[in-house]
Amino acid sequence: GESVGLHLPTLSVQEGDNSIINCAYSNSASDYFIWYKQESGKGPQFIIDIRSNMDKRQGQRVTVLLNKTVKHLSLQIAATQPGDSAVYFCAENSRSQGNLIFGKGTKLSVKP
Amino acid sequence: DAGITQSPRHKVTETGTPVTLRCHQTENHRYMYWYRQDPGHGLRLIHYSYGVKDTDKGEVSDGYSVSRSKTEDFLLTLESATSSQTSVYFCAISDRTSGRGTGELFFGEGSRLTVL
Repeated sequence: GESVGLHLPTLSVQEGDNSIINCAYSNSASDYFIWYKQESGKGPQFIIDIRSNMDKRQGQRVTVLLNKTVKHLSLQIAATQPGDSAVYFCAENSRSQGNLIFGKGTKLSVKP
Repeated sequence: DAGITQSPRHKVTETGTPVTLRCHQTENHRYMYWYRQDPGHGLRLIHYSYGVKDTDKGEVSDGYSVSRSKTEDFLLTLESATSSQTSVYFCAISDRTSGRGTGELFFGEGSRLTVL
């Protein structure tokens, strides 16, 4: 399948542990943020989003935290499973920017 | 899964030949996008469309053109392919607006293009 990248930062975790994937964004005017998951050979899939008027949002086993002061976004995955192995991208958007800007991604590897 | 079909999924061509990639959606979404994905660069926007016959450039549009004659189809054309255009190309669609239009994107499965 299509390879995502050879030079991505990698996070390796044990099955059942919690994972934290970090992202620094660039535009202080960004007001909308999304996390995507990309499995090998597939297109990115939406995981969770958050708007700048929030600092935390929870989904099913995932939590996104937003720290606007330091322009930092994180994705927390609880009880990580082998099926969570993928590349995770953050993306940011602002009204002035118009289109999503994607980060380069982090590869999550889950050890059984 | 969103109804997005990209074709061809794999293509090998030679430098200087024209190439057209097709994206077809069954969701009736207004916005359609073409991205390329390369190691070390992540996803970069090539062109996008905000309606039939309405298109605009992204950050890496040089060497690419697009057309959208119907809501469901968005074509990406490389008039004269170069080796630097070897990449994985993703189509995406969106129906939500956030600012100028980008909310959640739904992606196709990708088209791997190799230019020899």
